[in-house]
Formats: sequence, C-alpha cells, structure tokens
Amino acid sequence: TQLLEQSPQFLSIQEGENLTVYCNSSSVFSSLQWYRQEPGEGPVLLVTVVTGGEVKKLKRLTFQFGDARKDSSLHITAAQPGDTGLYLCAGATSGSARQLTFGSGTQLTVLP
Amino acid sequence: EAGVAQSPRYKIIEKRQSVAFWCNPISGHATLYWYQQILGQGPKLLIQFQNNGVVDDSQLPKDRFSAERLKGVDSTLKIQPAKLEDSAVYLCASSSHGTSADTQYFGPGTRLTVL
Repeated sequence: TQLLEQSPQFLSIQEGENLTVYCNSSSVFSSLQWYRQEPGEGPVLLVTVVTGGEVKKLKRLTFQFGDARKDSSLHITAAQPGDTGLYLCAGATSGSARQLTFGSGTQLTVLP
Repeated sequence: EAGVAQSPRYKIIEKRQSVAFWCNPISGHATLYWYQQILGQGPKLLIQFQNNGVVDDSQLPKDRFSAERLKGVDSTLKIQPAKLEDSAVYLCASSSHGTSADTQYFGPGTRLTVL
C-alpha cells in the first residue's frame, strides 16, 4: 500500500508570513500533484510535478519534487487569507490507469 | 464548460438504510472516479470506470457498496445497508482518458451522515 504523509496536519499563521508544507512517502511516484480544497467543494488541482528535482512556481506558491520522486514540498510566500484551505498532495502510479493516492492533507488558516 | 455535477449535496440517514448518489461527469470525459473522503483524511479511491467498464474497484467494500455507469456517462454509487463508519463526503471526479497525462476534475461532493 502506498502511503503519503503530510505535515503539518494543521497550520495557522498571520497574513504575510511564509510557510512550507511537506509530503513524504516511502514509495516512488511517477508524478505528484498538489490540490487545494475549500469547504463544501472538491479538490482543485494546483500543479503536477513529474521530474525528480523539479521546481514549479505558481505566483507565490513554489512546488518541489524530491530527487528520488518520493517526497514533495509546497512553499507559500507572503500568505494571504485567500490561501486558507486544505492542501492535499497526491501521488500517481505509473501505467495506463491513472490512479491517485492522496495524503491526509494540511489544513491552512491564514489570519488577517 | 460545465463541471462535474453531483447530487444530492447532503444526505442524512439512519444506519442500515440505503442511499444512492448520482454523478454527471464533464461532457466527453471517458474516465470517472468515486472517492470517499472521511473527515480529516484525504480522498480514497473507491472505484474507477473507463467508459462503462470498471478499471479498478479493489477498495470498494462490495458487500455493501455498488456502483454503475450505464451508457458510459452518468454514474450512481449505492450503499446498502449503511453503517456509521460510512459517514463521509463522497466525491466524483472525471478525466478525459484516465492516462498519466490527464487532470482529474472533482465535483463538490455529497456529504453523507449516518446516524
């Protein structure tokens, strides 16, 4: 069974602070995705990383895929209240059937 | 483009009752997924359809859960009989082909409470 562990589970910070969320596994994934989920809605894809060591930036969000493709991090610079939500990482297995294994999520609250 | 539609949005039932959820994927999407998301956890895949065929249902509790996707479009997920531990949000997602290059688009989910 492939497991993804996310840390921290909960994070509450003030507007303007920086933060990093981690996603770790003992398994190798062909790609890894980060989602954000708001209350009453489904997860929305933020980014997909596919190459070991890859770094992607999306405005104030920086995503990194570990060299061994077993871990990933999400860094948010100058967090804003609109960043509040549940951040989920999900690893994809190789093969023709695309299946995702989700982490348990990090609940981020950015206080104004 | 319309997103993934799910109904109902909320459902409260007593244990041992039956319940059904409906999902309408994005038009033209061949692959449909049902996930269970228990409070405080990430979504867990229950079943994956490719058109109207099942690709993977290894994590579906088949003694009480069933799902179908007639005509390869809409899908229903049924629980009979429900248990307390089935309380969760049931998410439906769809993607174009279900390959590694695809993005999964999620619906808003159905929140089930079993009393």
